[in-house]
Amino acid sequence: GAVVSQHPSWVICKSGTSVKIECRSLDFQATTMFWYRQFPKQSLMLMATSNEGSKATYEQGVEKDKFLINHASLTLSTLTVTSAHPEDSSFYICSARPPSGRPQAYNEQFFGPGTRLTVL
Amino acid sequence: EDKVVQSPLSLVVHEGDTVTLNCSYEVTNFRSLLWYKQEKKAPTFLFMLTSSGIEKKSGRLSSILDKKELFSILNITATQTGDSAVYLCAVAFSGNTPLVFGKGTRLSVIA
Repeated sequence: GAVVSQHPSWVICKSGTSVKIECRSLDFQATTMFWYRQFPKQSLMLMATSNEGSKATYEQGVEKDKFLINHASLTLSTLTVTSAHPEDSSFYICSARPPSGRPQAYNEQFFGPGTRLTVL
Repeated sequence: EDKVVQSPLSLVVHEGDTVTLNCSYEVTNFRSLLWYKQEKKAPTFLFMLTSSGIEKKSGRLSSILDKKELFSILNITATQTGDSAVYLCAVAFSGNTPLVFGKGTRLSVIA
């Protein structure tokens, strides 16, 4: 199946620092990528929809100035957690949607492996 | 508001049992329903269902969609401890909109 990678897979940082997480679609071009956050024993919570070449669409309650999303190319979206605090510690997962009509389109979205962020 | 409801929220069974997980939905512009399995990392894809009444099967797992009654079931036969996971159901819509996820069913299979 299609492959989506995330980097880093885990990160520990000090409170107040910024952390960048990359999401790449490796074998297809993705005009749309999605960023989710998941707290322990909870379901995925959509944070934002990342559209190549335009501004991201954020879900209600997600601060766009704190979670900066850049989708500068058809294979790369980045999420930057600015001035991270302990309450931002979570599992961040991206997903990418393949173009319709491509062989990968047997699935609506392909998930990256996730990034576990711990803010001390 | 679009809604996806999974039941039960958690389930404990013994190895060898058969389980049925449920997912009902109330959405507009339905396109497909998906099942994912999540262990310690990101969800892994199981099935995508678009047509009513056509069973999809992969080994001991199978799933079917009823678009009239707006639900899907995921069956796992002869469960194994490796089936322990959270099973997520999600609905996709026409257009380029995000999936809507249910809260998941946490399945624990004990030896």
